[in-house]
Amino acid sequence: LAKTTQPISMDSYEGQEVNITCSHNNIATNDYITWYQQFPSQGPRFIIQGYKTKVTNEVASLFIPADRKSSTLSLPRVSLSDTAVYYCLVGVGSSNTGKLIFGQGTTLQVKP
Amino acid sequence: DGGITQSPKYLFRKEGQNVTLSCEQNLNHDAMYWYRQDPGQGLRLIYYSQIVNDFQKGDIAEGYSVSREKKESFPLTVTSAQKNPTAFYLCASRSGAEGTGELFFGEGSRLTVL
Repeated sequence: LAKTTQPISMDSYEGQEVNITCSHNNIATNDYITWYQQFPSQGPRFIIQGYKTKVTNEVASLFIPADRKSSTLSLPRVSLSDTAVYYCLVGVGSSNTGKLIFGQGTTLQVKP
Repeated sequence: DGGITQSPKYLFRKEGQNVTLSCEQNLNHDAMYWYRQDPGQGLRLIYYSQIVNDFQKGDIAEGYSVSREKKESFPLTVTSAQKNPTAFYLCASRSGAEGTGELFFGEGSRLTVL
C-alpha cells in the first residue's frame, strides 16, 4: 500500500497561490492520486483526482511528474474559506476498491 | 438527493456499553468504509467492505465490529472492548467504477464516553 507524506502545516495569505506537495514513493501502477479537503467536524470532500501529468478543474490543479512518486495540489488565489486540512490519498482506481489509508494531512491557514 | 447518512450525529455512552453507529447510502456504491478521527489527527481506517456479506479489518479494528447485510448499509458497533472510544467517526462509500474512486463521506458521528 502506498504511504503518503505531506507537510503538517502551511500558512498563506489571501490572493496567493498555494502549492501542497505529497510524496508517495511506492505508488502502484494502477493507483490514482486523489486530494480531499476537510473542514472541522465535517467529512472530507473531493477536490481533484489524477493519474499522470496535469489535471485542472474549477477549484484546483494537480501536477503529477512522470515518475508519479509525488504530486502537487495547486490552489489559485486562496481565500479565508480555503483554511482547512488537505489530504492526499493514493489508492486503486479500478473496480478492485481496496484499503484506503489517509495520511496526516496538511493544515492550511489562510491569513487576511 | 443521493448521499450518505450517518446517525446519530452526537452520541453519549457510559463506559461498558456497546453502541451502534448507523451508515446508509443510496449511491449504489459497492465499497463502504469506517474511519475514526481524533482531535487534530488524520483519519484512521477501522473497517471496510467491498461487497455485501464481506468486510476486512483496517488498521484499528480492535474493539469494533461491523456487518454488511445490505449494499446500502454498513453499521459500526463500538464495543466495550474499545478502550478509548471517544472520537469523531466518519463513514464513506465509493463506487467501483474504473478511473474514479472518489470517496463520498457522511457528516460524521461524534461519540463521547462519559
